[in-house]
Amino acid sequence: AQKITQTQPGMFVQEKEAVTLDCTYDTSDPSYGLFWYKQPSSGEMIFLIYQGSYDQQNATEGRYSLNFQKARKSANLVISASQLGDSAMYFCAMSHYTGANSKLTFGKGITLSVRP
Amino acid sequence: DTGVSQDPRHKITKRGQNVTFRCDPISEHNRLYWYRQTLGQGPEFLTYFQNEAQLEKSRLLSDRFSAERPKGSFSTLEIQRTEQGDSAMYLCASSRDSHTHDEQFFGPGTRLTVL
Repeated sequence: AQKITQTQPGMFVQEKEAVTLDCTYDTSDPSYGLFWYKQPSSGEMIFLIYQGSYDQQNATEGRYSLNFQKARKSANLVISASQLGDSAMYFCAMSHYTGANSKLTFGKGITLSVRP
Repeated sequence: DTGVSQDPRHKITKRGQNVTFRCDPISEHNRLYWYRQTLGQGPEFLTYFQNEAQLEKSRLLSDRFSAERPKGSFSTLEIQRTEQGDSAMYLCASSRDSHTHDEQFFGPGTRLTVL
């Protein structure tokens, strides 16, 4: 069974500083994908970044980067130059490739608050 | 806007009533997912469609829940004889038929409150 663990309590960061949100995962599948989604108070899940289990390099998307450490089974999200609009819930999720269903397994999420 | 849409956005109902939610995926997406999210938790998978075929259902989907995707376009999720424990946000997501990663695009959700 797949499992995502996000154990950090609410995180606070000063505007324009960088912040790391932790995510560890557990799976016995050799092929999987790791995702980060942002959920603002409006409720919609917004895709941020993806990392494939066979990708050699860490994924980057603008101010977002994923620190992928396969041996440690961690996929931490790094947000650089935080903005007030980054205040939201952040979810780490994992999918595995069955050729048919790529359902996502989510963690419990982390609340990020950006201070001006 | 051509994103995933859901209707209604909010639904308040009394215990024992039936409710139906609708999801319109992104038009070229073959795959459609339903998730449920309770307060303070991440979304949990409910069911999955590939075109019009329902290929997987979670154990969370009791007999009171039924989902359809006629003609492989929009989908409906019906809950019969609602219970207070059904109160949650119901999220729909869609994606392309991909053999690699499967980025799912989510709709705004339907928030259900059962009184």
